[in-house]
Amino acid sequence: QVQLVESGGGVVQPGRSLRLSCAVSGFTFSSFPMHWVRQAPGRGLEWVASISYDGSDKYYGEWLKGRFTISRDNSKNTLFLQMSSLTIEDTAVYYCARVGYGDPNWFDPWGQGTLVAVSS
Amino acid sequence: QSVLTQPPSLSGAPGQTLTISCTGSSSNIGAHDDVHWYQQLPGTAPKLLIHETNNRPSGVPDRFSGSKSGTSASLAITGLQAEDEADYYCQSYDSSQSAYVFGTGTKVTV
Repeated sequence: QVQLVESGGGVVQPGRSLRLSCAVSGFTFSSFPMHWVRQAPGRGLEWVASISYDGSDKYYGEWLKGRFTISRDNSKNTLFLQMSSLTIEDTAVYYCARVGYGDPNWFDPWGQGTLVAVSS
Repeated sequence: QSVLTQPPSLSGAPGQTLTISCTGSSSNIGAHDDVHWYQQLPGTAPKLLIHETNNRPSGVPDRFSGSKSGTSASLAITGLQAEDEADYYCQSYDSSQSAYVFGTGTKVTV
């Protein structure tokens, strides 16, 4: 069955970097755009970034100000999110999700999430 | 900062009907054909509940239905059950922000 498994979260100091991974199985990863969505503790969902099926196009929330980079390795069925200059406001559970095609696109399925805690 | 507004919380007795509203604008809901809805049970990841306004993925009970009109959308839960206690989010795409946007979320209590 379709599975998305995030990893790489943890406690990190402000200003440091962290790389998240999302290992995918159960579908042809290289055929689908992918997303990252995050959820701060007790808060709602916030779209972070998206990447096209081949990695040639990348889209980010404007508020990121270039601090995060989404990428993928289709040979390893893995999605990545490189996060730098982390702030306390980046503390959240980060989910990866596959695209669902529509107007607009949707997110399905989702991984279980990985927690990033930015703290000194 | 979400541009789609939902009521923070709703409650109902088992068997009742609840309707969750999602209010947007001409740059998001009004600019696209459809709206999507997600259910997030306590302590779990969000799950697609409704796609393309009123389409239920396999396994989603037909107690859940959606609609869209202009710059707003609604999710109805008929025959409310205890297992429906969750947070619900609507989703669109905002052309002015060039970003996918989610609603503020509604906590449903049964």
